[in-house]
Amino acid sequence: DTEVTQTPKHLVMGMTNKKSLKCEQHMGHRAMYWYKQKAKKPPELMFVYSYEKLSINESVPSRFSPECPNSSLLNLHLHALQPEDSALYLCASSQDLLAGGHNEQFFGPGTRLTVL
Amino acid sequence: GQNIDQPTEMTATEGAIVQINCTYQTSGFNGLFWYQQHAGEAPTFLSYNVLDGLEEKGRFSSFLSRSKGYSYLLLKELQMKDSASYLCAVRDNTGGFKTIFGAGTRLFVKA
Repeated sequence: DTEVTQTPKHLVMGMTNKKSLKCEQHMGHRAMYWYKQKAKKPPELMFVYSYEKLSINESVPSRFSPECPNSSLLNLHLHALQPEDSALYLCASSQDLLAGGHNEQFFGPGTRLTVL
Repeated sequence: GQNIDQPTEMTATEGAIVQINCTYQTSGFNGLFWYQQHAGEAPTFLSYNVLDGLEEKGRFSSFLSRSKGYSYLLLKELQMKDSASYLCAVRDNTGGFKTIFGAGTRLFVKA
């Protein structure tokens, strides 16, 4: 199984809503990532988890709250978002964060988020 | 800091060869990746270089020169399905092992 799954595929939410994005992988990867991607722009790193611990937070506003309940799951909790947060949110995983070998990232299909 | 430059758009003809260049500046270089991303889809891994030289994988090859901060992706025997964005990404080991993506090159393959 070389797949990263994400739910939901699409999400529309108001600025006062609380919602969560979910990501799952069963490749035994120990590094998991959240990216934000706007149209015609590259993915921007938000968070990195390594062995279920938050390793990197790229100064993301606190209205985005990541969680890694176990080695296969990664969540992104959303609260009080702004319309400019509308984007494609991509989850990715890789074997780990260490330098050895390819260690390429496998991406999920993304959640297209619209904030009204 | 990090900086990655690649052309915004390229157009090529079916059956031809195209080379997409990428230049980068980073303080802790730890490998360079190329990803393909079709519109509305997730990026998929194409190639990885950490040592100087050419890596070949079927119709796709990637080259790296660390001293020049330069890489290219070579696509041979272009097919219409190769129309996509090609993202150059550099792994940097300063402040944690981060992969920073370039803005991507949109490749249009015409008949």
